[in-house]
Amino acid sequence: AQSVSQHNHHVILSEAASLELGCNYSYGGTVNLFWYVQYPGQHLQLLLKYFSGDPLVKGIKGFEAEFIKSKFSFNLRKPSVQWSDTAEYFCAVNAPGRRALTFGSGTRLQVQP
Amino acid sequence: EAGVAQSPRYKIIEKRQSVAFWCNPISGHATLYWYQQILGQGPKLLIQFQNNGVVDDSQLPKDRFSAERLKGVDSTLKIQPAKLEDSAVYLCASSSSASGRNTGELFFGEGSRLTVL
Repeated sequence: AQSVSQHNHHVILSEAASLELGCNYSYGGTVNLFWYVQYPGQHLQLLLKYFSGDPLVKGIKGFEAEFIKSKFSFNLRKPSVQWSDTAEYFCAVNAPGRRALTFGSGTRLQVQP
Repeated sequence: EAGVAQSPRYKIIEKRQSVAFWCNPISGHATLYWYQQILGQGPKLLIQFQNNGVVDDSQLPKDRFSAERLKGVDSTLKIQPAKLEDSAVYLCASSSSASGRNTGELFFGEGSRLTVL
């Protein structure tokens, strides 16, 4: 069975600080990896995804994530956060051909102006 | 393009009562999912439909939860009887595939928040 771990439950940063949110998955085969974001009062939406190829993927709003196969990790990064990045971030995984996603427990990011 | 529609947005019931949630996916999306998100946790898949057939309901508590998608479009999730631990946000999502390949993106509705007293 697949599982996803997000070890940072709550992160507080000041504007312009750099961000890195950890995500580790447990699955023996090839996986697709995702980061979803939920802004306050809004629905979950896709931030970025990795299927294959370049392990460094870029998403919306300046976010990027790096897939490190040897570490089973897919960490999310942003060089300089803004107050508008305050949200909850979820890492997710699925096996190719299986559309349903397995989510991590989420990381609440609070950016202080 | 209209998004995934869910109703009601909020529902408060007493334990042992029943409740139903409705979802209308994005037009043309063949795959529909119901997820349960308990406070402080990530969404957990309850059931996945492909058109009007069930693909995965392994995590659905079938003694109290049921779901249907009779015409392959909208779907209803029912809980009867509800327990305190069913308090959660119930998320509906839909997805499509392009050229048979899993594009991976799920489109979520805003969710239905259930409080069981």
